[in-house]
Amino acid sequence: DIQMTQSPSSLPASLGERVTISCRASQGISNNLNWYQQKPDGTIKPLIYYTSNLQSGVPSRFSGSGSGTDYSLTISSLEPEDFAMYYCQQDASFPLTFGSGTKLEIK
Amino acid sequence: QVTLKESGPGMLQPSKTLSLTCSFSGFSLSTSGMVVSWIRQPSGKSLEWLAAIDWDGDKYYNPSLKSRLTVSKDTSNTQVFLKITSVDIADTATYYCARSELGARYYFDYWGQGVMVTVSS
Repeated sequence: DIQMTQSPSSLPASLGERVTISCRASQGISNNLNWYQQKPDGTIKPLIYYTSNLQSGVPSRFSGSGSGTDYSLTISSLEPEDFAMYYCQQDASFPLTFGSGTKLEIK
Repeated sequence: QVTLKESGPGMLQPSKTLSLTCSFSGFSLSTSGMVVSWIRQPSGKSLEWLAAIDWDGDKYYNPSLKSRLTVSKDTSNTQVFLKITSVDIADTATYYCARSELGARYYFDYWGQGVMVTVSS
């Protein structure tokens, strides 16, 4: 199985701040890396697919990058609705696996 | 408009079989490239992919649970089912179903709201 290591697990930040969440795969995943946001009520929203492609309707302040084993999600200027959990997911091979999550919280 | 909704028993006893249903609209699982997966999340923990079934009826399982899982779909291609045998407390979680279109590999572009399942005696 491909292990996905996310960091940090918790990220205190302020409104308007730029933040980056990292995701490292245990082996190369050829950009097959996706990102999701989960709100406290459990609702999961897709954000980015294949490393850097923005899901329709997702604000442009979200962006993704990376290659090989290392990937990142960046939010350029935090809005109140961005404080949530974020998960990366690889779909390079089965079983599909997720990172452990990053809790983005208000500083 | 694509929507998915999970349903299940809410609570069941250890050693029983858990049966879950994912009912969806806005797409058909008979359409080439469509896939529906099951994913679960114990409270306070991360997400775990369990199984998937595609438009052609091919099935994919997480090896860690494969012997206990069965995924299937109905003939109208608007529902997907998951059975987990011999449940124990570790199967307590919120269970989600989600859709993928193979043009974007196994990226989950639509999710259900999730259904909570508690295993308890």
